[in-house]
Amino acid sequence: KQEVTQIPAALSVPEGENLVLNCSFTDSAIYNLQWFRQDPGKGLTSLLLIQSSQREQTSGRLNASLDKSSGRSTLYIAASQPGDSATYLCAVCGTGGFKTIFGAGTRLFVKA
Amino acid sequence: DTAVSQTPKYLVTQMGNDKSIKCEQNLGHDTMYWYKQDSKKFLKIMFSYNNKELIINETVPNRFSPKSPDKAHLNLHINSLELGDSAVYFCASSQETGPDTQYFGPGTRLTVL
Repeated sequence: KQEVTQIPAALSVPEGENLVLNCSFTDSAIYNLQWFRQDPGKGLTSLLLIQSSQREQTSGRLNASLDKSSGRSTLYIAASQPGDSATYLCAVCGTGGFKTIFGAGTRLFVKA
Repeated sequence: DTAVSQTPKYLVTQMGNDKSIKCEQNLGHDTMYWYKQDSKKFLKIMFSYNNKELIINETVPNRFSPKSPDKAHLNLHINSLELGDSAVYFCASSQETGPDTQYFGPGTRLTVL
């Protein structure tokens, strides 16, 4: 049974700092891994999708890496801004292609 | 233009009532999902439909019945509501089943009194 864990559960950093969010999963037989952002009281916004054959994806100040063999992914945020404050969710899609398992999220607060 | 929309945004009701939440996507996607986010913010998949056919039912009580009248709509009907059903329910869609980016609706906050 796939389990997805995110560390840390919460993180507070000063503006401008580079930071790393971690995601680990127990079953390496995955189809893809997706990072989402959720703002309070809002839905989820997809940030990056990494297919199982890929090692990383980049979008602006965000970089996500995937190490399938070790069951880990990291989301790197460069030069953090107060607008980055949100909950970041990692989601793993199994090889059946149908079922997505979410981690509990990392709540990020960037102080101005 | 809203890609995935849900109605209502808020729903407050008494225990034992029956209620429905509607979801529509205008992205032309083949697959739609329902997720439940509980008070601890943990998001869990409930159902997945591909081309109007149910492909995932994650041990959800049979009081919950999804209905997909067409590919663009996936409604969630809940019978005999219980206190534990209080949560935020999210609808999502993707082009393919699983491998593609999922697009989420804004959520429906259900409160059962």
